[in-house]
Amino acid sequence: DTAVSQTPKYLVTQMGNDKSIKCEQNLGHDTMYWYKQDSKKFLKIMFSYNNKELIINETVPNRFSPKSPDKAHLNLHINSLELGDSAVYFCASSVATRGDNEQFFGPGTRLTVL
Amino acid sequence: DAKTTQPTSMDCAEGRAANLPCNHSTISGNEYVYWYRQIHSQGPQYIIHGLKNNETNEMASLIITEDRKSSTLILPHATLRDTAVYYCIVRALHDYKLSFGAGTTVTVRA
Repeated sequence: DTAVSQTPKYLVTQMGNDKSIKCEQNLGHDTMYWYKQDSKKFLKIMFSYNNKELIINETVPNRFSPKSPDKAHLNLHINSLELGDSAVYFCASSVATRGDNEQFFGPGTRLTVL
Repeated sequence: DAKTTQPTSMDCAEGRAANLPCNHSTISGNEYVYWYRQIHSQGPQYIIHGLKNNETNEMASLIITEDRKSSTLILPHATLRDTAVYYCIVRALHDYKLSFGAGTTVTVRA
């Protein structure tokens, strides 16, 4: 039973295209996140959602639009893809946004923009 | 805005204990110490966290010094599958995010 799952695992696309990455968690958590890991391997928070509501947008370009249809899902849509968007994107979830709650991560989606 | 300092890399022998140090000299009273690891091509994996007291779970032990300015993650019997990047993260109770640094690349050798 995968706790946090993402699809697709790999995504290769051309500059200028629009693409989506899907995330689902079956842990019953209220909070979900998107993180980006760039080529230098640094992991950075992008968004945080709590009960389907956006609570934090970490100065991410508005080409990135997260959507949460329900508490178990947080999808990431990216418009007008750029070369610099190439990275691994990780979805995560936690019980709540509190700092004493651990976050559980998905396996990642490797996005390559050509 | 790194709050933690970790060695860049370390090696350890299979079957031996691996002791991973972390300095967090500016830690505040309401900040937790978290450890995550990332095995190659996988998502980060939660290991353990603590506030003041030492903690132990099925994966590891976390030893926090009395002044809370440093901690050590102990993997009691390292295996080859423990080869990964280990991240020490300081996180306040109100902090929704995990702020990852460069971590320590741990290589377990047979």
